[in-house]
Amino acid sequence: GAVVSQHPSRVICKSGTSVKIECRSLDFQATTMFWYRQFPKQSLMLMATSNEGSKATYEQGVEKDKFLINHASLTLSTLTVTSAHPEDSSFYICSARDWGETQYFGPGTRLLVL
Amino acid sequence: AQSVTQLDSHVSVSEGTPVLLRCNYSSSYSPSLFWYVQHPNKGLQLLLKYTSAATLVKGINGFEAEFKKSETSFHLTKPSAHMSDAAEYFCVVSGNTGNQFYFGTGTSLTVIP
Repeated sequence: GAVVSQHPSRVICKSGTSVKIECRSLDFQATTMFWYRQFPKQSLMLMATSNEGSKATYEQGVEKDKFLINHASLTLSTLTVTSAHPEDSSFYICSARDWGETQYFGPGTRLLVL
Repeated sequence: AQSVTQLDSHVSVSEGTPVLLRCNYSSSYSPSLFWYVQHPNKGLQLLLKYTSAATLVKGINGFEAEFKKSETSFHLTKPSAHMSDAAEYFCVVSGNTGNQFYFGTGTSLTVIP
């Protein structure tokens, strides 16, 4: 149980385009979902926390207009990187939490912006 | 405030020998603690968690960790390393509301054949 999927696993896009990443909890209802960014050989950096049906809470320094988060249902959250630039290239990981404290992580999405 | 310190950025062991990955935490309350493993270009997989029950926690793949409040430690161990254990390991402490995770900087484990 407690499986989280992400789609796509890898995406290459041109600078200036927008990219949407989906995060789904497959076998449980996620009251809260989290979006992280991970740079090479570093730990995870929390970008934002989203609760179903409400606006996401962004961490300091994360541009909410650039990283749009939608948590439309208890099993789906999306992260849209708008007007992507090469510096947005990174590994993006989502996690989902049920009624407990444990976060279950997706497999990650590798974004490369050319 | 909560924080996590993983004392070794890199650990190297021979296959079949014990593994010890060290983690110390700081918390103003009784936290929940987790160990996750991340293989290259993959997400994080939960190895085990401590949530104020038994102090010795057994996880998957033969890993276990012991919560020592007096030492504020939560070290991860495994009696015999396998090649497939080579990965990045993260120690995590939960926030006061349980909503936020505080990550250690990670320990890269290399297993030598």
